[in-house]
Amino acid sequence: QVQLVESGGGVVQPGGSLRLSCVASGFSFSNSGMHWVRRDPGERLEWLAFVRYDGNDHHYADSVKGRFTISRDNSKNTLYLQMNNLRPEDTAVYFCARITGTPDYWGQGTLVTVSS
Amino acid sequence: DVVMTQSPLSLPVTLGQPASISCRSSRSLVYSDGNTFLNWFHQRPGQSPRRLIYKVSKRDSGVPDRFSGSGSGTDFTLRINRVEAEDVGIYYCMQNTHRPLTFGGGTKVEI
Repeated sequence: QVQLVESGGGVVQPGGSLRLSCVASGFSFSNSGMHWVRRDPGERLEWLAFVRYDGNDHHYADSVKGRFTISRDNSKNTLYLQMNNLRPEDTAVYFCARITGTPDYWGQGTLVTVSS
Repeated sequence: DVVMTQSPLSLPVTLGQPASISCRSSRSLVYSDGNTFLNWFHQRPGQSPRRLIYKVSKRDSGVPDRFSGSGSGTDFTLRINRVEAEDVGIYYCMQNTHRPLTFGGGTKVEI
């Protein structure tokens, strides 16, 4: 069955960095554009970043542009989100997802808490 | 960025009765190819979101036919024709016609 398993979340101080990973299985990851989406403590969803199936095109939300980097390794069926210069407002559950294909797939999410 | 505005924020519902959620975009969601990329997602408590509807009115596989989507341009509606207990949670509209993708603020459905 389809699985997206995120890891790498945790507690980090403001200004710190984290790298999230998402391992995919059960579908054609290497043919799928992939996204990172987060859900903040107020339950709002925010789209963060997209990477094309081959890794050669990326798009970012303004709120994370210049601080976050999305990447993928199709040989490992893995999606990444490098997060630098983290702020308290980045506190959220982070999901990797395929949301612009059919069907959609979501991971279970990983919690990132930015606090001193 | 395209702003997606949902209403109501909170929707008390009665089992077996219909319910509807509105989503309005700040600009037309019609893409240059004629498609309208408006989606609806449902998030049950403690779970990840799941898409119900894409391209305004197309139901995803496995989605009960009590869910329907409609609308055009900037105004869209999700309807549940007979609410069931499993329908509680938060509903979000999302557009992917324009970059960046943007979500509505969510509508919390409670029995």
